[in-house]
Amino acid sequence: GAVVSQHPSRVICKSGTSVKIECRSLDFQATTMFWYRQFPKKSLMLMATSNEGSKATYEQGVEKDKFLINHASLTLSTLTVTSAHPEDSSFYICSARPAAGTAYNSPLHFGNGTRLTVT
Amino acid sequence: DQQVKQNSPSLSVQEGRISILNCDYTNSMFDYFLWYKKYPAEGPTFLISISSIKDKNEDGRFTVFLNKSAKHLSLHIVPSQPGDSAVYFCAASLGGANNLFFGTGTRLTVIP
Repeated sequence: GAVVSQHPSRVICKSGTSVKIECRSLDFQATTMFWYRQFPKKSLMLMATSNEGSKATYEQGVEKDKFLINHASLTLSTLTVTSAHPEDSSFYICSARPAAGTAYNSPLHFGNGTRLTVT
Repeated sequence: DQQVKQNSPSLSVQEGRISILNCDYTNSMFDYFLWYKKYPAEGPTFLISISSIKDKNEDGRFTVFLNKSAKHLSLHIVPSQPGDSAVYFCAASLGGANNLFFGTGTRLTVIP
């Protein structure tokens, strides 16, 4: 089945620093990837849609200058949390849907997530 | 505003019995529903889905039921196995949009 790899799985950083999270589709091409955030005991909330070769589309309330998204190739999207603060501590998950020949409602495949802790 | 709700945060079931996980939604325009299973420190794994034009979809031990008039769907797992212990999220999508609206999850524990 389709595999999405996310790295790192866990990161601890100091306030004010930036952290980059990578999301790779290992066995398929993904023109679109999605970044979610999960707060404790809350549902997954879509942060932004990452489009290969163009700017990401951010959901309302998500600061695009804080959460930088780059979709450099058909298999890689990165999320950079800039000038991180403790309130950015959360579980971030990426997902992707195979691009070619799939119905719009084919299921998303998720990475294993990144636990970010900002001290 | 939580458009997809899972009102039971946890559920415990004996091995071999049926597990029933429930999900309610508020937006009648949702046209596709999915269930995901999530283990700790891992991303969600797709389990089963159903289109709004159907009321039942079955895949092995897993069956999803959709009641559009009640805006309710449920996931039945029978027989339940200890390996089914995980957090289950229901999700809904709208008109082909990429955004999935997730519920808050239900932690299922299957007792051996």
